[in-house]
Amino acid sequence: KNEVEQSPQNLTAQEGEFITINCSYSVGISALHWLQQHPGGGIVSLFMLSSGKKKHGRLIATINIQEKHSSLHITASHPRDSAVYICAVRLNGNKLVFGAGTILRVKS
Amino acid sequence: NAGVTQTPKFQVLKTGQSMTLQCAQDMNHEYMSWYRQDPGMGLRLIHYSVGAGITDQGEVPNGYNVSRSTTEDFPLRLLSAAPSQTSVYFCASSAPGVYEQYFGPGTRLTVT
Repeated sequence: KNEVEQSPQNLTAQEGEFITINCSYSVGISALHWLQQHPGGGIVSLFMLSSGKKKHGRLIATINIQEKHSSLHITASHPRDSAVYICAVRLNGNKLVFGAGTILRVKS
Repeated sequence: NAGVTQTPKFQVLKTGQSMTLQCAQDMNHEYMSWYRQDPGMGLRLIHYSVGAGITDQGEVPNGYNVSRSTTEDFPLRLLSAAPSQTSVYFCASSAPGVYEQYFGPGTRLTVT
């Protein structure tokens, strides 16, 4: 079993829909990261969180440490949100363990 | 700032050839890492460094060497390329205590 599981693996949405991507992990962590990988391949960091909730524009990330679960929400989705969204957990020091990613396609 | 740069962007090697993937960052980050990304799998850590002169193995180190002679550069060497090393390679850096990862654009390597 992978230490970090993401669901769904693939997601297709209509423009304007509210989107949720889930991440579950099985180990103790110091923080959790959400990353976005564009179709061209570049990876950018969206959020790093260790408790509660963070918001940036239309993106919201939440984490429940007790349940070992995090969600990434996208409100009012747009075709430019189409990308792979990656969850990663920080174990100790600077080491990260990554989920396999969720492929999101938003249709206009 | 250029951020994290990687060269080359694409490379095709024959089995048994050796090569070095270059990674450089201009943010004075102490932490640098190399990952490989394969279809259907998460990024996997190959080697990492916590500062100049200090490197350590990650999850999948076999077949790869690294060195860190300066804070800026962290090259990844493939000693004798194998088809199993066909992958996309990402270099990343971060500052201690900050932990946000900055990724390079990636190198797509094909070994035939």
